[in-house]
Amino acid sequence: GAGVSQSPSNKVTEKGKDVELRCDPISGHTALYWYRQRLGQGLEFLIYFQGNSAPDKSGLPSDRFSAERTGESVSTLTIQRTQQEDSAVYLCASTVSGRGLYNEQFFGPGTRLTVL
Amino acid sequence: AQTVTQSQPEMSVQEAETVTLSCTYDTSENNYYLFWYKQPPSRQMILVIRQEAYKQQNATENRFSVNFQKAAKSFSLKISDSQLGDTAMYFCAFKGGSTLGRLYFGRGTQLTVWP
Repeated sequence: GAGVSQSPSNKVTEKGKDVELRCDPISGHTALYWYRQRLGQGLEFLIYFQGNSAPDKSGLPSDRFSAERTGESVSTLTIQRTQQEDSAVYLCASTVSGRGLYNEQFFGPGTRLTVL
Repeated sequence: AQTVTQSQPEMSVQEAETVTLSCTYDTSENNYYLFWYKQPPSRQMILVIRQEAYKQQNATENRFSVNFQKAAKSFSLKISDSQLGDTAMYFCAFKGGSTLGRLYFGRGTQLTVWP
């Protein structure tokens, strides 16, 4: 595809349910990042994938959050037992490689998660 | 740890005028990049301009330019000849050489351009 895509665009769930968010990076991009954007805030880093390994998971806020990546393609972010404070926009970005300082990150349109 | 601070939650400017958005950052690294991203209501993050710390010359992209003051750790964005389509949230971001490419963002400045 032409850019990073994410699905669903919007997700409304009930507190305590599990949700899965999907990110399709730009073809050929080996690095993938997940960020969270709470209302009125900047983006907070969650996790970084280089290929299908995650050398930096330091931003995951709790063990209810997990992510995986298949090869150098799709990534899913899973939130278990959702809480109201998980309500946010979840953004995914990809880049040619995470090791290059110059490499631009291309962002998807995000998934807006609302936990009732 | 890297921190990015945007002290102006909201700014407004009249069409065709010039506006400057402020950003300061803190880091102990010598080699890094700074970015300005635009986020319109569509949520799509769009890279506006970037500056490498080693370059003394300020970056320019058409109507957008930066004032990079490395010693002061300041990185402001100037938008000239503002257009209605510039209305968006603007985020300042930092990327260092030791951080595996992750970006550190400020809290953003909501810019409104009035006709």
